[in-house]
Amino acid sequence: DAMVIQNPRYQVTQFGKPVTLSCSQTLNHNVMYWYQQKSSQAPKLLFHYYDKDFNNEADTPDNFQSRRPNTSFCFLDIRSPGLGDAAMYLCATSRVDEQFFGPGTRLTVL
Amino acid sequence: SQKIEQNSEALNIQEGKTATLTCNYTNYSPAYLQWYRQDPGRGPVFLLLIRENEKEKRKERLKVTFDTTLKQSLFHITASQPADSATYLCALGRDDKIIFGKGTRLHILP
Repeated sequence: DAMVIQNPRYQVTQFGKPVTLSCSQTLNHNVMYWYQQKSSQAPKLLFHYYDKDFNNEADTPDNFQSRRPNTSFCFLDIRSPGLGDAAMYLCATSRVDEQFFGPGTRLTVL
Repeated sequence: SQKIEQNSEALNIQEGKTATLTCNYTNYSPAYLQWYRQDPGRGPVFLLLIRENEKEKRKERLKVTFDTTLKQSLFHITASQPADSATYLCALGRDDKIIFGKGTRLHILP
């Protein structure tokens, strides 16, 4: 089935140790998004791509970087995770105003 | 800055009744508004989209209204069932950018 896949589903890292979260899609959608969602809060948009065009939200910390090497894959790099970065990270793709979300990666920072 | 407010953190509705959820927004002129369902530990799932020039949209037991003058959307679930229990997120979009409200937790009581 066509879908948005996120790996790993659960990621544990240490304070300050770089971590990379991955997302892949079989939907062939041009637009991909990364959201951060903390408990009982709204998903917060970090970045999105239209094809290779990168759009960074103004309040996304510099600690967060993203790469999209091709249409299918997108990565979220957290260079020096802090305790406040513990959250669910959601990847999504978009087709004609509808978003398709992956299951998310829950990041724990020790 | 843009702000999305969804009514009350939790809503308890008796099975069989109509559940009505509210989404209000300020400092934004969305081209479209979406509603998503999110279950614990999972990514949001798209339910309905309504555009700025539409007043009402229906899908099975779901109905959405959109009042751009009031800057408000109402989301109705008729003949509610315990399986409808989840968090429902409102999202506003223009072009490729979509921002979310924090959601309303809906409990359908048997």
